[in-house]
Amino acid sequence: QVQLVQSGAEVKKPGASVKVSCKASGYTFTSYGISWVRQAPGQGLEWMGWISAYNGNTNYAQKLQGRVTMTTDTSTSTAYMELRSLRSDDTAVYYCARDGGGWIPNDYWGQGTLVTVSS
Amino acid sequence: EIVLTQSPGTLSLSPGERATLSCRASQSVSSSYLAWYQQKPGQAPRLLIYGASSRATGIPDRFSGSGSGTDFTLTISRLEPEDFAVYYCQQYGSSPSFGPGTKVDIK
Repeated sequence: QVQLVQSGAEVKKPGASVKVSCKASGYTFTSYGISWVRQAPGQGLEWMGWISAYNGNTNYAQKLQGRVTMTTDTSTSTAYMELRSLRSDDTAVYYCARDGGGWIPNDYWGQGTLVTVSS
Repeated sequence: EIVLTQSPGTLSLSPGERATLSCRASQSVSSSYLAWYQQKPGQAPRLLIYGASSRATGIPDRFSGSGSGTDFTLTISRLEPEDFAVYYCQQYGSSPSFGPGTKVDIK
């Protein structure tokens, strides 16, 4: 069965960086893209960007351009999302989700990783 | 950038009642790349509907989606206790975005 397992919670200071991992299993990793979505406490969902696990092409949300980098390691079927210059308003649960391909958007989701930014 | 607006913000209904949720886009959503997700507290979102009207795998047929262009609707024909949750619409064109959500709670 398809599973996305994310790394554990992180606490970071303002200005630092965080790198969240998302290990995929149960499907051919390079046949699908991975999206990253975050959710601040008590708030809605925010799309952060997407990476093709096939060729590494990326598409980032404009507001995060320059601070976010998404990568994949096909040898371990793992996707990564790095966010730099962290601010307090980056405190959120970060989700990875598989892009189902074609018409199908995010059909499988990771369990979420809480990133807390606090001095 | 396509901005999605959802209404109402909160819908208070009883089990067995029909729920109608609206999602409006600031510009036409290409090829009906419109999806609906359900999220319960402490859980990741769950895909319900894609392509505006296709049910995702394993989704009960009491959930249905309709609409095109800028106006879309999610209908839950008869609310079950497990359906009380927050529902988000998403357009997944070239620069995806989510609506702010509609909370369906128990009246």
